[in-house]
Amino acid sequence: GAVVSQHPSWVICKSGTSVKIECRSLDFQATTMFWYRQFPKQSLMLMATSNEGSKATYEQGVEKDKFLINHASLTLSTLTVTSAHPEDSSFYICSARLWRLAGGTLTEQYFGPGTRLTVT
Amino acid sequence: ILNVEQSPQSLHVQEGDSTNFTCSFPSSNFYALHWYRWETAKSPEALFVMTLNGDEKKKGRISATLNTKEGYSYLYIKGSQPEDSATYLCAFTGATDSWGKLQFGAGTQVVVTP
Repeated sequence: GAVVSQHPSWVICKSGTSVKIECRSLDFQATTMFWYRQFPKQSLMLMATSNEGSKATYEQGVEKDKFLINHASLTLSTLTVTSAHPEDSSFYICSARLWRLAGGTLTEQYFGPGTRLTVT
Repeated sequence: ILNVEQSPQSLHVQEGDSTNFTCSFPSSNFYALHWYRWETAKSPEALFVMTLNGDEKKKGRISATLNTKEGYSYLYIKGSQPEDSATYLCAFTGATDSWGKLQFGAGTQVVVTP
């Protein structure tokens, strides 16, 4: 259980175009989804937190007008990279949060396989 | 420590040998420490979530310990097998972090050779 899919797995686009990446929780409902970016040899860096039915919360330094996030349902969040440039080339990965209550509160995030974006 | 740091960055292990590596994190404002295993071309897989000082978790040949007072966690692999080859990520959640967000280390890449 707790499977998260991501589509596409890789994409090449021309500079100035927009790219949409989908993140789906396949067998559970995720009220919160997260979007991360990873540059080579670096750690996963949180870009934004996406809550179903409300506006995303962006981390400092992440342009909200450039990285549009929509979380319209409990199983789908999308990230659109608008007017992409070569410096946006990166590995983008999403996760969905599953809450468990067991004498306290544990938080678990389940990840998709990621999307490799190359902007030429 | 302000960030999450993992060491070593990579290590090579002979099949059958045991190994361990470290995750360091801020000792203040602690809520949870997570370990993930990430194989190439796959999704990161959750291994453990630990919240209490002194926690020890085990999953098969893999185990982890947690010291929140000094801000470190060890992950151990006993009797390494080629299928253990992966990047192991740790991630910190602070008590004041909203939505349980994760702050990741850069990972330890483990290569197990037959």
